[in-house]
Amino acid sequence: DAKTTQPPSMDCAEGTAANLPCNHSTISGNEYVYWYRQIHSQGPQYIIHGLKNNETNEMASLIITEDRKSSTLILPHATLRDTAVYYCIVRGQAGTALIFGKGTTLSVSS
Amino acid sequence: NAGVMQNPRHLVRRRGQEARLRCSPMKGHSHVYWYRQLPEEGLKFMVYLQKENIIDESGMPKERFSAEFPKEGPSILRIQQVVRGDSAAYFCASSPNTGVEQYFGPGTRLTVT
Repeated sequence: DAKTTQPPSMDCAEGTAANLPCNHSTISGNEYVYWYRQIHSQGPQYIIHGLKNNETNEMASLIITEDRKSSTLILPHATLRDTAVYYCIVRGQAGTALIFGKGTTLSVSS
Repeated sequence: NAGVMQNPRHLVRRRGQEARLRCSPMKGHSHVYWYRQLPEEGLKFMVYLQKENIIDESGMPKERFSAEFPKEGPSILRIQQVVRGDSAAYFCASSPNTGVEQYFGPGTRLTVT
């Protein structure tokens, strides 16, 4: 599975959009981009995933560049409860294990 | 629809004892994964099981650790003769198939004294 690079930390004001970037320049054609988050010491929470088209669900939007070498997770209206570590993971369709890196610690403040 | 359940949530064992961690996957999920998170570190994959079969145990220590997912009942992660370095949060995840999103439980926090 391809390696990902994320900034270690980001800050965001409550009510604004949080845009979390991820680089995955070695991604191959059949690999998906997954986003998870871990709030404090809880179990990781699945957010969204995509292959090449932009995706949106009730939690977030995922924008994947045309060359698929990077992506951005967008939380449209961040709240204090969105403070967490966000993990970008690249994984093949037949992949089993999720390989977690260090992620981005997002701090949302009022 | 209940999520992934893990018990106990907290477990304290003395060095040399055995620890048994249980994971009940979401309804309809036959794939179970175990991950470990050491203090101040990231999550590391340990083992992937389907009903009655171990599919991938590449992340599991070769000694003292074992996992099973019987036909009936929860998946069990067993740690024999625990040592202080086993103190960690152990998370279980489940999925309906391979290669799709995994849903995590709340974890079991193991403390070895």
